Amino acid sequence: SQQGEEDPQALSIQEGENATMNCSYKTSINNLQWYRQNSGRGLVHLILIRSNEREKHSGRLRVTLDTSKKSSSLLITASRAADTASYFCATVRGGADGLTFGKGTHLIIQP
Amino acid sequence: SQTIHQWPATLVQPVGSPLSLECTVEGTSNPNLYWYRQAAGRGLQLLFYSVGIGQISSEVPQNLSASRPQDRQFILSSKKLLLSDSGFYLCAWSVWEGASYGYTFGSGTRLTVV
Repeated sequence: SQQGEEDPQALSIQEGENATMNCSYKTSINNLQWYRQNSGRGLVHLILIRSNEREKHSGRLRVTLDTSKKSSSLLITASRAADTASYFCATVRGGADGLTFGKGTHLIIQP
Repeated sequence: SQTIHQWPATLVQPVGSPLSLECTVEGTSNPNLYWYRQAAGRGLQLLFYSVGIGQISSEVPQNLSASRPQDRQFILSSKKLLLSDSGFYLCAWSVWEGASYGYTFGSGTRLTVV
């Protein structure tokens, strides 16, 4: 079953602006990951944040995690047209039983 | 280097026909293997996962089955496809990276049942 719920479902912004996507989940987690999917393609891992971390950076990406609210956010700064894609959060409870994905946010960056 | 191969990239099959999608990984031993399905405009749903040869766990009851005949081979099958089996199927593997499992996804197979 899907645990994560991203919002917004779709987001359209101008190139150069910042894009913020949110994710909520329901159960306790070991870590939370964000993935990117270009149209009709496989998933690319962007960033992982562990349950004992509150914020993590990677290039233009910033991820926050609030385990008390069971929520996470992904911020993409200085967006580019090439950032247009669907973004998914995925939670890991622990063990090898896989990732539980949200429904995703479709991000469109307008040049 | 660690890679994952998934084929075919696209597939159009008539209702009632059988299905076999294959996924193989290279560069790692004893990986955990997964099959996910993504319906149009939706997130990914875990279908099966395997922690070893011959060990299959099913997450949802459905018209599909999975098998792992070799350590680095994972097969998704159906005896008779339904229209509702259409979707984007992704294979993935994970290995322990010291503090958590790292996941890698294949490029996917787009299945259209007509």
